[in-house]
Amino acid sequence: EAQVTQNPRYLITVTGKKLTVTCSQNMNHEYMSWYRQDPGLGLRQIYYSMNVEVTDKGDVPEGYKVSRKEKRNFPLILESPSPNQTSLYFCASKVLGNSPLHFGNGTRLTVT
Amino acid sequence: TQLLEQSPQFLSIQEGENLTVYCNSSSVFSSLQWYRQEPGEGPVLLVTVVTGGEVKKLKRLTFQFGDARKDSSLHITAAQPGDTGLYLCAGEVRYSNYQLIWGAGTKLIIKP
Repeated sequence: EAQVTQNPRYLITVTGKKLTVTCSQNMNHEYMSWYRQDPGLGLRQIYYSMNVEVTDKGDVPEGYKVSRKEKRNFPLILESPSPNQTSLYFCASKVLGNSPLHFGNGTRLTVT
Repeated sequence: TQLLEQSPQFLSIQEGENLTVYCNSSSVFSSLQWYRQEPGEGPVLLVTVVTGGEVKKLKRLTFQFGDARKDSSLHITAAQPGDTGLYLCAGEVRYSNYQLIWGAGTKLIIKP
């Protein structure tokens, strides 16, 4: 089944404790992206990647890192999480060009 | 900053009523996508409109792209409880590395 898989689905952590949210897609998509979703603010892009070893900042990259060492994986790293990073995070992928985004089922992160 | 204003933010109506959701911008889009998101899941594409003035129908849902490709609407006829969800519009700006400008979303509740 074609899908984008994120792990974990839920994560509660404390301020400053490094964490990684994994994202993997099995559709051979070139483009991958991370979003955060907050009430009333819609989806805001954190980082995106148009291919292996190519990453770019989105609208809200501060406090996040990503890597794209393999085509299928695009992990999101929070080196020192803070409470304002409490949010619902989505990974998405697509082929390049005018095509739809395929989203994972989200990771709900709480930083206390 | 490019914005895509989506309205209303929240709508609660009775089964059988009609409704319209609007997305407006001062930017011209090469295409506009509509997604639907259910609780605990990522957004799923409903439709993409590409040509100014284009109208697409998906059962009881009618999507229209404005003539100038700056705005779009989603009209639901005879809404049903199964239409409940968060509706998101996203505009793709030409020559933007396939980046999408997202509306804040419309939370729709259809009461039986």
